[in-house]
Amino acid sequence: DSGVTQTPKHLITATGQRVTLRCSPRSGDLSVYWYQQSLDQGLQFLIQYYNGEERAKGNILERFSAQQFPDLHSELNLSSLELGDSALYFCASGLLGQGVSPLHFGNGTRLTVT
Amino acid sequence: GDSVTQMEGPVTLSEEAFLTINCTYTATGYPSLFWYVQYPGEGLQLLLKATKADDKGSNKGFEATYRKETTSFHLEKGSVQVSDSAVYFCALSAPVIQGAQKLVFGQGTRLTINP
Repeated sequence: DSGVTQTPKHLITATGQRVTLRCSPRSGDLSVYWYQQSLDQGLQFLIQYYNGEERAKGNILERFSAQQFPDLHSELNLSSLELGDSALYFCASGLLGQGVSPLHFGNGTRLTVT
Repeated sequence: GDSVTQMEGPVTLSEEAFLTINCTYTATGYPSLFWYVQYPGEGLQLLLKATKADDKGSNKGFEATYRKETTSFHLEKGSVQVSDSAVYFCALSAPVIQGAQKLVFGQGTRLTINP
């Protein structure tokens, strides 16, 4: 058990809809990362938050947004969903001290857009 | 930008065989290197890491050595077990600057071990 909790595990929705994915980081970790895993694109980094502030941005679409709350949990919002957004979305957390820290991943939310 | 290239899978071996999964990287500066493993239905788990040249990471019988001259971080295990069947990801992270850390992953290599 990594200590990172993601909800829901599965989500099925229609094109054009909006969904919210939730992540609770491992106890003590201040940094949260979001990744998208699809068959054709592999694991793509979306965005990183550290103690409530955005710190790094990857290939995140404008239709997607995220935030980290004062209790350090994070939400990833996906809107105007398209079929191509179907993927496994992972949250990870890390300590981010003086140097690079390994990331601890949740079990993911599987999003299916129909 | 930074990138990681892994040997394409799938890889199928018999139990007790020797395993090598190749990984090379492109990065500016001196990244940290990682191997993660993903078992079916689960998230990625850190398998091992190396933070500077010539470091050897090891865990559960797996090893990888950070080779700066060949920009490689190949994963090896002397005798694989059926329970090692999973997808393996090589990854790199550039040094943290102003709290920004981005872990870049290879495409993953699916490993199947037959009894």
